[in-house]
Amino acid sequence: ETGVTQTPRHLVMGMTNKKSLKCEQHLGHNAMYWYKQSAKKPLELMFVYNFKEQTENNSVPSRFSPECPNSSHLFLHLHTLQPEDSALYLCASSRLRGNNSPLHFGNGTRLTVT
Amino acid sequence: DQQVKQNSPSLSVQEGRISILNCDYTNSMFDYFLWYKKYPAEGPTFLISISSIKDKNEDGRFTVFLNKSAKHLSLHIVPSQPGDSAVYFCAADTGNQFYFGTGTSLTVIP
Repeated sequence: ETGVTQTPRHLVMGMTNKKSLKCEQHLGHNAMYWYKQSAKKPLELMFVYNFKEQTENNSVPSRFSPECPNSSHLFLHLHTLQPEDSALYLCASSRLRGNNSPLHFGNGTRLTVT
Repeated sequence: DQQVKQNSPSLSVQEGRISILNCDYTNSMFDYFLWYKKYPAEGPTFLISISSIKDKNEDGRFTVFLNKSAKHLSLHIVPSQPGDSAVYFCAADTGNQFYFGTGTSLTVIP
């Protein structure tokens, strides 16, 4: 399998649930990202990992918790979310930052918080 | 404050004609620019990019133009095909972070 794979594709969760989103890349990249896409808004960067080290955390609420066990896998742990957190969550990967390297995205997880 | 703007939410073009998608930016520190294409229920797919040291990059039917003095980026698709119907996002990179526009929905009419 090639590219960036995200699971699950759809997720419905209550505000008291705990769930995790998973991302795996097969491109040999060293950087991985979580983005949030809400309706009519630009893609919003949440977290960046370079060589498994978190280098960016764009003031994301603590109810979102990332985990990067290795350069190929990225998780987003979710707990006590709010309805306004409903969105498309996209994982991406790239070669090391600063090399004019494009992001490669997965197909996303459509999250609905009830 | 949005640093990358796509002011046209939608565009319709006849098959075989040229599609021109536009993007404006405000940050002069951007040194790398990209276009992505997105079909429903899929993630954005990288289409074409351009470095700030160039003013044109071509790949088949797709050409990206960069006008640094005007802080303007455009994507030309010639000839347009029905399969090009999708949402197109422009993006700009400072080397530390990518910034995305809100997208333009292109419909190519057969």
